[in-house]
Amino acid sequence: DAGVTQSPTHLIKTRGQHVTLRCSPISGHKSVSWYQQVLGQGPQFIFQYYEKEERGRGNFPDRFSARQFPNYSSELNVNALLLGDSALYLCASSFSKTGSDEKLFFGSGTQLSVL
Amino acid sequence: SQQGEEDPQALSIQEGENATMNCSYKTSINNLQWYRQNSGRGLVHLILIRSNEREKHSGRLRVTLDTSKKSSSLLITASRAADTASYFCATSNYGQNFVFGPGTRLSVLP
Repeated sequence: DAGVTQSPTHLIKTRGQHVTLRCSPISGHKSVSWYQQVLGQGPQFIFQYYEKEERGRGNFPDRFSARQFPNYSSELNVNALLLGDSALYLCASSFSKTGSDEKLFFGSGTQLSVL
Repeated sequence: SQQGEEDPQALSIQEGENATMNCSYKTSINNLQWYRQNSGRGLVHLILIRSNEREKHSGRLRVTLDTSKKSSSLLITASRAADTASYFCATSNYGQNFVFGPGTRLSVLP
């Protein structure tokens, strides 16, 4: 079975632009979470979606938004990009809601560079 | 915040030696997990220990948890060059999402 897939793998944008990142979870997984990882730091939680509903949101501005589709894939949108948004964006899936004993399965990430 | 903090930030050892890294957290948890990340790509789950467990083994990995001290340790025995990676602890509490620490960068020299 395929693992968590993310697209694109790399992306270069300029300040003020908008970006959409995509994630397909492992088949059968209903929960998708998004994390931002700045170089040299640990992943920071952005959003969690379960059964197409937002179940958690981290401390990120409203420029960040996400959604989950009926097939459980997900998109992360970032508007009005800032230089500080440059990071590795990771998508993780799990069978159920996080906070239980579920483990996260991560994709390889999208490396976003904002110039 | 229940953020985990790994210690040390970086660790360099020779092949065959054991590597120990520690994680501290601030609030109550229901489980603690360790993940590995190679070259800034996706994280891979290594091991989960529940709050009512004190020690767990998986292959060359040994994890301990001391809830009274709010700390955990990950021991990798007989390290190999392929163990070179960043290691993160992640904590979760019922109904809350995972919180990752800043990680320990492990270098295993041949």
